[in-house]
Amino acid sequence: SQQGEEDPQALSIQEGENATMNCSYKTSINNLQWYRQNSGRGLVHLILIRSNEREKHSGRLRVTLDTSKKSSSLLITASRAADTASYFCATRADTGRRALTFGSGTRLQVQP
Amino acid sequence: EAQVTQNPRYLITVTGKKLTVTCSQNMNHEYMSWYRQDPGLGLRQIYYSMNVEVTDKGDVPEGYKVSRKEKRNFPLILESPSPNQTSLYFCASSSGGFGYTFGSGTRLTVV
Repeated sequence: SQQGEEDPQALSIQEGENATMNCSYKTSINNLQWYRQNSGRGLVHLILIRSNEREKHSGRLRVTLDTSKKSSSLLITASRAADTASYFCATRADTGRRALTFGSGTRLQVQP
Repeated sequence: EAQVTQNPRYLITVTGKKLTVTCSQNMNHEYMSWYRQDPGLGLRQIYYSMNVEVTDKGDVPEGYKVSRKEKRNFPLILESPSPNQTSLYFCASSSGGFGYTFGSGTRLTVV
């Protein structure tokens, strides 16, 4: 079952602009993670935010988490053509099965 | 180099012919998982393992088997593949509480 749903499904921006992607989920979580996937290749872990954290930074990435709204956002600042990829959020449930459940992804196109 | 290695990268097979996709990790991770990725459906979990000899069904386990006899290996077995199992498969591992490391994927076509 799809736990996370990303919004928008696709996003096209110019190099240098900021890109914001949103993720909503349904159940209580232990943590939420963001991954990047270049076309047809393996996913790369970007950042993990725990349920007791509200914001986290890693380089040009900023992730926020609002557990009351069951939502998260990923901001990529000063985007580059190399950021073109699909971005997925994934959640780990608070109880029960510990495996990750992925959303459907946002396809980001950064125009040079 | 820390990595998850899947083999083969590409595989074309016929309906009903048993196959195994291997997965190995060199990071001493406890958790390993198999996903399939299909257009419009995203990544769906097939099976999951929390440690040696401990496995659990994911969202789409039908038609698949796994085993975890050693910590580093987590093969995915298709006893009798069917065309609806044509997909892109990923193995991933984690030490728990951290992100997963993914393999490069296996593109399987069942004709």
